[in-house]
Amino acid sequence: NAGVTQTPKFRILKIGQSMTLQCAQDMNHNYMYWYRQDPGMGLKLIYYSVGAGITDKGEVPNGYNVSRSTTEDFPLRLELAAPSQTSVYFCASSSLDVAGDTDTQYFGPGTRLTVL
Amino acid sequence: KQEVTQIPAALSVPEGENLVLNCSFTDSAIYNLQWFRQDPGKGLTSLLLIQSSQREQTSGRLNASLDKSSGRSTLYIAASQPGDSATYLCAVEGMSGSEKLVFGKGTKLTVNP
Repeated sequence: NAGVTQTPKFRILKIGQSMTLQCAQDMNHNYMYWYRQDPGMGLKLIYYSVGAGITDKGEVPNGYNVSRSTTEDFPLRLELAAPSQTSVYFCASSSLDVAGDTDTQYFGPGTRLTVL
Repeated sequence: KQEVTQIPAALSVPEGENLVLNCSFTDSAIYNLQWFRQDPGKGLTSLLLIQSSQREQTSGRLNASLDKSSGRSTLYIAASQPGDSATYLCAVEGMSGSEKLVFGKGTKLTVNP
């Protein structure tokens, strides 16, 4: 299994440009998440999905959009990029354990985005 | 709003020492608590997950405890090695929709040979 994959690894955007960060997982996990990590800080949840066709906002959703048309893919869209969106973006996925509790999250390697 | 605090922010120890990393959280209504490891420039790797009904979990030289009523967790690392050098992040899964995982800022651990 490849686990959770993210593309691109690095990207530089100009203010006002848009882009899509790709995330895919091959573990058949229902739950998927997008986080951002600013220097010296913990991760903050942007959006999450509990299954195909279902998405919901996390703590810091402004300036981002997501879609979940398949179980495997969970792209994150940045519209009108701003310097405040300079960060490292992590995608993660998880499922439920045999007891029906949320299981551990598996993380991708991250996308380092700079907006100038 | 859930807040997670990790103390200390950085820790440097000689190889072979046993050490404890601390995590506290403000809202005891949680589903679980997780400890992650993050190496520089890399993603996160899950170390231990403690469900709210559990008191501790062990994996190899790592032991994590959870005291939900006091809002505290500790990660105990036995016989530390230079390969343990990394940032350790604590995260709690809250019960409200937007608090899927709330992270602390991490403890940066350096184990000196």
